[in-house]
Amino acid sequence: EPEVTQTPSHQVTQMGQEVILRCVPISNHLYFYWYRQILGQKVEFLVSFYNNEISEKSEIFDDQFSVERPDGSNFTLKIRSTKLEDSAMYFCASSLGYTDTQYFGPGTRLTVL
Amino acid sequence: SQKIEQNSEALNIQEGKTATLTCNYTNYSPAYLQWYRQDPGRGPVFLLLIRENEKEKRKERLKVTFDTTLKQSLFHITASQPADSATYLCALDLNSGGYQKVTFGTGTKLQVIP
Repeated sequence: EPEVTQTPSHQVTQMGQEVILRCVPISNHLYFYWYRQILGQKVEFLVSFYNNEISEKSEIFDDQFSVERPDGSNFTLKIRSTKLEDSAMYFCASSLGYTDTQYFGPGTRLTVL
Repeated sequence: SQKIEQNSEALNIQEGKTATLTCNYTNYSPAYLQWYRQDPGRGPVFLLLIRENEKEKRKERLKVTFDTTLKQSLFHITASQPADSATYLCALDLNSGGYQKVTFGTGTKLQVIP
């Protein structure tokens, strides 16, 4: 069964550094998403992406964040100048259509020291 | 403001019994509602989706109801097993301009006791 994959599974970085989290969505899906989950808290929407542009973003998704689909298979989340409070699990998801179920990847645990 | 509420307390039930989890929402008119399962340190796994014009949906031992008047969804697991122990998340779509903006509840932790 097709699945969303994410790399790395765990990323440790120093405060102020830039990180790139990578995702490979399900191959025929057209809509892509990033979520984050701070330890013990709920899953929070960050951004949705369709047709090579951001379609929706939350108030969390400020200028520090950017997303990109650099080729036909990868979808990345870049966090510039990481802060301690960026430490969380980051989940990528994809869906076939905009009202279809989103399928989540296993997540990347980001630890900012 | 929009809010999604799930049983904040953990739910402990005996193996073989039916678990019922509740999701209430306010100030939403979702086109559909989804239930996901999340195990510790893992991503949410999709279980069921129910649309606003559907009252009930079933999949194997799972059943979801959706009452748009009460603004409530109930999620049932019949003949529960210890392997069903996990956190269950309710998720609503805030369909904005045709694009998804899924909002999750905080989840209910289910523990099935052998």
